[in-house]
Amino acid sequence: GQNIDQPTEMTATEGAIVQINCTYQTSGFNGLFWYQQHAGEAPTFLSYNVLDGLEEKGRFSSFLSRSKGYSYLLLKELQMKDSASYLCAVRDRDYKLSFGAGTTVTVRA
Amino acid sequence: DGGITQSPKYLFRKEGQNVTLSCEQNLNHDAMYWYRQDPGQGLRLIYYSQIVNDFQKGDIAEGYSVSREKKESFPLTVTSAQKNPTAFYLCASQGSEWGEQFFGPGTRLTVL
Repeated sequence: GQNIDQPTEMTATEGAIVQINCTYQTSGFNGLFWYQQHAGEAPTFLSYNVLDGLEEKGRFSSFLSRSKGYSYLLLKELQMKDSASYLCAVRDRDYKLSFGAGTTVTVRA
Repeated sequence: DGGITQSPKYLFRKEGQNVTLSCEQNLNHDAMYWYRQDPGQGLRLIYYSQIVNDFQKGDIAEGYSVSREKKESFPLTVTSAQKNPTAFYLCASQGSEWGEQFFGPGTRLTVL
């Protein structure tokens, strides 16, 4: 099974940078996903890491260290619309996803 | 447009009644999933299907049932045996074993 931990809440100012950490313990690892979810809506895919290192996609970047069971999602140049919940999910050897509880990010003007 | 639809968005039922939630996709994806989301908790897997006419239990299958008679459709029935059915239910599909999952808009079920 999986054990996935991420902070419950984070607050940052518009234009700033926020880093959301995710640690995991898994019996088999086949990749790590980050999703964004606005309140009452479906999660939408942000990024995917399967090898160690940094993946950059515009204002969003995600990092993975498999040996440490650690990932982070970096949100740069924060905008008000980035206020949402960010979900870390780990895929196991059976290709099923296990999700963390999510980190609610609040962006203040 | 390709995507996943779930209906209805809000559903109210009386305790003791079975209810079926709809999930349809036109993405031609083989794999489909049902998750439940409760406040302060991550998404939890109820059932999944990797091919038509086959499905497996997830982590919290008790009190739920599914069918997969068509590739496009994966309905979930919440039975009266489910002790705490009020939740936000999300359906997802996946095109390949390495791909990401795409989610439908969700159905919020309230059992009164």
